[in-house]
Amino acid sequence: GDSVTQMEGPVTLSEEAFLTINCTYTATGYPSLFWYVQYPGEGLQLLLKATKADDKGSNKGFEATYRKETTSFHLEKGSVQVSDSAVYFCALSHDYKLSFGAGTTVTVRA
Amino acid sequence: DAGVTQSPTHLIKTRGQHVTLRCSPISGHKSVSWYQQVLGQGPQFIFQYYEKEERGRGNFPDRFSARQFPNYSSELNVNALLLGDSALYLCASSPLAGGGSYEQYFGPGTRLTVT
Repeated sequence: GDSVTQMEGPVTLSEEAFLTINCTYTATGYPSLFWYVQYPGEGLQLLLKATKADDKGSNKGFEATYRKETTSFHLEKGSVQVSDSAVYFCALSHDYKLSFGAGTTVTVRA
Repeated sequence: DAGVTQSPTHLIKTRGQHVTLRCSPISGHKSVSWYQQVLGQGPQFIFQYYEKEERGRGNFPDRFSARQFPNYSSELNVNALLLGDSALYLCASSPLAGGGSYEQYFGPGTRLTVT
């Protein structure tokens, strides 16, 4: 079945540091890939998506590229801010449902 | 425009009781999905409904059921509650059924605590 594996946290960074969160997936066919973010006490917000191989999703300074050859969708941001502190979830969409990774908690210190 | 709304925000129930959670999708969205998020884990798919019909079901026991109404709002029902049902229950809406590139928009969730 479909599954998503993402880098375990927690991750603690200083402001303006570079962030990478690794994500790999297993799926049949050609799923769409997503990154969702969950701020404390809130629901999930879509951060970015990619629907086919080599697509790059980007939003709010975050980027991720759909790599079919390595079945990966790693999230990157060049300079994080305190406001980026949250839990980040990698997910894939296949048929009627989203399958999520376990989430990576990111804390950015001033 | 209003996003996905869920009620109640928080709920405390006793083992063996029944609970009903409610969700209103974004206006114009015909599909509603339910997810269970246990603390420290990613959300797990429970159901998807589209045009009042169940389109998909995750690996949850029959104690979990749902329905969708003509106005596309939805209810999730859980019978004979267990301690392990304590979780954040998330509702998500999308314009169409199916996965693909149609992103799902999530509500704030209902925090259920079973004691």
